[in-house]
Amino acid sequence: EAGVTQFPSHSVIEKGQTVTLRCDPISGHDNLYWYRRVMGKEIKFLLHFVKESKQDESGMPNNRFLAERTGGTYSTLKVQPAELEDSGVYFCASSQVSVYNGQFFGPGTRLTVL
Amino acid sequence: DQQVKQNSPSLSVQEGRISILNCDYTNSMFDYFLWYKKYPAEGPTFLISISSIKDKNEDGRFTVFLNKSAKHLSLHIVPSQPGDSAVYFCAASAMGDAGKSTFGDGTTLTVKP
Repeated sequence: EAGVTQFPSHSVIEKGQTVTLRCDPISGHDNLYWYRRVMGKEIKFLLHFVKESKQDESGMPNNRFLAERTGGTYSTLKVQPAELEDSGVYFCASSQVSVYNGQFFGPGTRLTVL
Repeated sequence: DQQVKQNSPSLSVQEGRISILNCDYTNSMFDYFLWYKKYPAEGPTFLISISSIKDKNEDGRFTVFLNKSAKHLSLHIVPSQPGDSAVYFCAASAMGDAGKSTFGDGTTLTVKP
């Protein structure tokens, strides 16, 4: 069974540019989460999809971040325009039920905004 | 204000000895706690969890203890092995908010041969 995959693994962009991160969850997992880890600190929740619906987007920093999950399969997270403080590692995770059974994380996308 | 705290950024132990990783939380609504392990360039991997109705959960070499009155949990690894060297994250979830976990900063464990 393939795990959670994320693309790209690294992205270096300049301030003001746009970046789109992609996540492919484990097949059959209705729950998809985005998290971010900045400067080696805690992993912070961004949002949660159940199928194609946003269940909780309370962690999204501001309206420069837009997440979508078309058809309830893969998800994209777009940052437009990117700012310096957006740098960090963006993790995607998926699960079949809720977090109570643990989440399966992807390897992350390291975003550097110069 | 961080709701889940891992106050030890790093821990070094000898192979074969016990590793104890600690975690404190402030939100009394948290009712489920998880530990994840993370190797470099990989995402976190779920390790073990515990519900607030229990005070101990064991899985092989890994045991998690929960002290609700102190809002404290710990992960014990015994015996420690060099392959256990990784960053360990404590995470917590609240009933009714099961869609997300709140993580600590992580503790880097180094097990020396």
